[in-house]
Amino acid sequence: DAKTTQPPSMDCAEGRAANLPCNHSTISGNEYVYWYRQIHSQGPQYIIHGLKNNETNEMASLIITEDRKSSTLILPHATLRDTAVYYCILRSGGSNYKLTFGKGTLLTVNP
Amino acid sequence: ETGVTQSPTHLIKTRGQQVTLRCSSQSGHNTVSWYQQALGQGPQFIFQYYREEENGRGNFPPRFSGLQFPNYSSELNVNALELDDSALYLCASSFWTGGRFYGYTFGSGTRLTVV
Repeated sequence: DAKTTQPPSMDCAEGRAANLPCNHSTISGNEYVYWYRQIHSQGPQYIIHGLKNNETNEMASLIITEDRKSSTLILPHATLRDTAVYYCILRSGGSNYKLTFGKGTLLTVNP
Repeated sequence: ETGVTQSPTHLIKTRGQQVTLRCSSQSGHNTVSWYQQALGQGPQFIFQYYREEENGRGNFPPRFSGLQFPNYSSELNVNALELDDSALYLCASSFWTGGRFYGYTFGSGTRLTVV
């Protein structure tokens, strides 16, 4: 079972920042937080991941709380093409590659 | 980079038949995993292969089997198809070395319909 909790859906206006929350209150010390998104009828796309520090790349920023029990994915300037299901996933370090997906958050970006 | 390619894109099979789905990993990747995604659900882990050996398996029966080849392409085989096997099957590849894991690259999937 997924160890993360996400809202089932969110709306965002085009050009505004989209902030997607994720709760992972039972996270272990060696578990990374990964974010993927899935646009309709395509495979999931990697966005970003982190362990305990905040991370930023060309797609998004990841903010992890100090106690690591929750995180927020930030899309700074959402576009219509960012409409997708966003998955927050915990993955252990080492050779355990398994990703356990929940149902994710359907983000709808409106014009 | 060529990405991950899967074939076929769509497939219809009859209950009880066998099916083979194929995946070509991204160049340089040595790890491949397969996922099943039912309609409206997140992907579910089937199994993973590292250097041609299965080294992880999800909660799927033995009629789901796989192979990884020396060129890191792979196959997913499903025997005795059931109606509930209808789903999007996703292949994902990555590179792992010395304890460092890099994010998966997923293919676009094969949509299997069992009738």
